[in-house]
Amino acid sequence: DAGITQSPRHKVTETGTPVTLRCHQTENHRYMYWYRQDPGHGLRLIHYSYGVKDTDKGEVSDGYSVSRSKTEDFLLTLESATSSQTSVYFCAISESGGSYYGYTFGSGTRLTVV
Amino acid sequence: AQTVTQSQPEMSVQEAETVTLSCTYDTSESNYYLFWYKQPPSRQMILVIRQEAYKQQNATENRFSVNFQKAAKSFSLKISDSQLGDTAMYFCAFMKPYHNNAGNMLTFGGGTRLMVKP
Repeated sequence: DAGITQSPRHKVTETGTPVTLRCHQTENHRYMYWYRQDPGHGLRLIHYSYGVKDTDKGEVSDGYSVSRSKTEDFLLTLESATSSQTSVYFCAISESGGSYYGYTFGSGTRLTVV
Repeated sequence: AQTVTQSQPEMSVQEAETVTLSCTYDTSESNYYLFWYKQPPSRQMILVIRQEAYKQQNATENRFSVNFQKAAKSFSLKISDSQLGDTAMYFCAFMKPYHNNAGNMLTFGGGTRLMVKP
């Protein structure tokens, strides 16, 4: 197995509620990423982490926050979910800063905000 | 910033035939990597093939090959002897190594949905 898991796999939530998605890795990789996938847009970077407590914004970070208190866990939080945040969310990991091998992806979380 | 464009939102091909998916990108970098990922209905992202920009030889992986034209900033994927299991979304992606603290930042195109017909 790839050593990266996302939870939950599916979630339906109401507008205005907070939501936290979890990414857990067993590979001890330094870099972790959160992407969202929307039709026509491919995958777009939300936030990333380059170490414990080291995070930065990606292309579409508004309305999202992240935390990484341990190497293995990277949490994505929607403070107050909106319908525009209905999407499929992917976590990815990478071992080094110049990896020819690209990323290893989790299985994704389908989030529906009603 | 890098951009990746896949101009074919949907394509179809008959089983056993050959199909080519297009991808263009825009960058001022000279050293980078290019990837094709496959996403079947299971939603899993699967690496299909990768290319290093400084290698002129086109990468091949079994039935999958690329046509990498660096000057034209083009990176197309050819699937030979198409199989029903090739039905999936295909994403082209660009990687700039050591992008500040982000490590190896991947930028994706919008995807091409490929249907292989029996």
